[in-house]
Amino acid sequence: AQSVTQPDARVTVSEGASLQLRCKYSYSATPYLFWYVQYPRQGLQLLLKYYSGDPVVQGVNGFEAEFSKSNSSFHLRKASVHWSDSAVYFCAVKSGGSNYKLTFGKGTLLTVTP
Amino acid sequence: DPKIIQKPKYLVAVTGSEKILICEQYLGHNAMYWYRQSAKKPLEFMFSYSYQKLMDNQTASSRFQPQSSKKNHLDLQITALKPDDSATYFCASSQEWGGGEQYFGPGTRLTVL
Repeated sequence: AQSVTQPDARVTVSEGASLQLRCKYSYSATPYLFWYVQYPRQGLQLLLKYYSGDPVVQGVNGFEAEFSKSNSSFHLRKASVHWSDSAVYFCAVKSGGSNYKLTFGKGTLLTVTP
Repeated sequence: DPKIIQKPKYLVAVTGSEKILICEQYLGHNAMYWYRQSAKKPLEFMFSYSYQKLMDNQTASSRFQPQSSKKNHLDLQITALKPDDSATYFCASSQEWGGGEQYFGPGTRLTVL
């Protein structure tokens, strides 16, 4: 069975600083990977996805993520964070076959301080 | 305009009662899903539907029954409610079952007293 680990429950960074949110996955086949963001009292919004090809994928609002098969990781990055980036970020892996679903990590709460 | 509508936004119920959570999507998608997010567990998959047909059920309890009256509707009926059912329930959809990314609704926050 697939699983996703987000080792950091909370991350605090200063506005303008760079950001990396970590994600490790466990899946036997080729993974389809996603990052979603959840702003307070809202649903999940898709930030970016990785299916194949270039391991660095670009998303919305300046976010990017890098897939590493050797490390089973899919870390999210941003060069310069803004206060409006404060939210909970979820990494997810999509299974396939007859058990198609998204498996999520526990999420990382990002707080951007002035 | 919101593309996935979930009603109500907040719901308070008493133990033992029954509630229906509504989900409608206007993305023209053929697959719909339910997920649950509680304080104790991460977002977890519950059901998936494709063209109004149940594809996968990962809930252990028969108290949770999805209902699809139209292709773009997937409601969730919960009977004999328990305090442990308190959670935010998210509806999602994708173009096809098994392919593409899933888009999520705003959620229904259920509190069972």
